[in-house]
Amino acid sequence: EVQLMESGGGLIQPGGSLRLSCTASGFTVSRDYMTWVRQPPGMGLEWVSVIYGGGDTHYADSVKGRCTISRDNSRNTVYLQMNSLRAEDTAMYYCARADSSGGRIDPWGQGTLVTVSS
Amino acid sequence: QSALTQPASVSGSPGQSITISCTGSSSDVGTYNLVSWYQQHPGRAPKVMIYEVSKRPSGVSNRFSGSKSGNTASLTISGLQAEDEADYYCCSYGGRSSLHWVFGGGTKVTVL
Repeated sequence: EVQLMESGGGLIQPGGSLRLSCTASGFTVSRDYMTWVRQPPGMGLEWVSVIYGGGDTHYADSVKGRCTISRDNSRNTVYLQMNSLRAEDTAMYYCARADSSGGRIDPWGQGTLVTVSS
Repeated sequence: QSALTQPASVSGSPGQSITISCTGSSSDVGTYNLVSWYQQHPGRAPKVMIYEVSKRPSGVSNRFSGSKSGNTASLTISGLQAEDEADYYCCSYGGRSSLHWVFGGGTKVTVL
């Protein structure tokens, strides 16, 4: 079964850092497009970052310069390092796989909640 | 690149059909046939219902269908059922040279 499991969320003070992890089973992360999508409480979905199969990475303007996506092929895990966190980064963070066309995001993990507050 | 535009809410009675619109621009929806739709129940992760405008993943009811005309994509739910009550999000992928994925603001579907 194809599954994703996120971890690493929590309560963090403004300006702090967190590293989110996303471990895949049933497929190989290095062969697919792996994305992070976030959802602030009560609000809609926002694409955050992607690491393509070839390793190139891209970020939404809202996190560019503060976030780094990476992967560990030996652990079949994708990471999102988040620095200089702000209150507006408070959200549920979902890890998800996109297919090679980019037109289908599936599966999604269950999400990990990041709360930025003093 | 702005979020795609969806109505905030749509409602219908059981058995009826409803359609949710998703309006983008010639930079996303209008150019690429890479529009997808996601269903999200409260407290749950999104689930893909339609991809590449009109394709339905295995296991998704054929009551769900998608289409596109110009810069606007649409999701139709026919034979509305209580379990269809959820939030629905459209999404367009614009490729690696663009802003990649952009989502709509979401539509709350209420079954009356």
